Amino acid sequence: GENVEQHPSTLSVQEGDSAVIKCTYSDSASNYFPWYKQELGKRPQLIIDIRSNVGEKKDQRIAVTLNKTAKHFSLHITETQPEDSAVYFCAGSSGNTPLVFGKGTRLSVIA
Amino acid sequence: DTEVTQTPKHLVMGMTNKKSLKCEQHMGHRAMYWYKQKAKKPPELMFVYSYEKLSINESVPSRFSPECPNSSLLNLHLHALQPEDSALYLCASSRGPGQGASRSTDTQYFGPGTRLTVL
Repeated sequence: GENVEQHPSTLSVQEGDSAVIKCTYSDSASNYFPWYKQELGKRPQLIIDIRSNVGEKKDQRIAVTLNKTAKHFSLHITETQPEDSAVYFCAGSSGNTPLVFGKGTRLSVIA
Repeated sequence: DTEVTQTPKHLVMGMTNKKSLKCEQHMGHRAMYWYKQKAKKPPELMFVYSYEKLSINESVPSRFSPECPNSSLLNLHLHALQPEDSALYLCASSRGPGQGASRSTDTQYFGPGTRLTVL
């Protein structure tokens, strides 16, 4: 089955700097890769997703890149703000399988 | 309405109690999910309902019993739980469960969760 590895487990950046979180997956049939942000005590909230027919997707300060050959995808947050502080989860699945989540990255943006 | 709602927000129960968690969505989604999330861990899939039928049970103990009365509602019945079952229980829904290797998974939307404490 699918296995999703996520790094780093914790990340601290200065406000205004960029943050990058990386995930790798094992199942070459996986074709959908969402990223969720979870603030303390709240629900996981979808912030961006990418499907395997595109290599990059951008939404304001957030971007995701996908390298199907290397089986990895990354989340990029530019101009970080304190409200970006949260736990971020990547996930992957194919049309036949449920989402498999990475272990999460705790991002701290220091003002 | 683009939300998944869950009740109650918090639940404290003893090991001999019977209680139920409820989840509702009005987005016309045909797949609904129960996840369990422990502190500092990712959500862990428990059950998937597809078109109101149970399609995945991730070897969950029988003290957890899911029910899907209709396409908008999902319940999780709890009985004789253990303290280690204390966790955040999340419901999610998606348009469909995915149909075959050529179709990509639909986006899942999570409810706010029920914080369960078993004494």
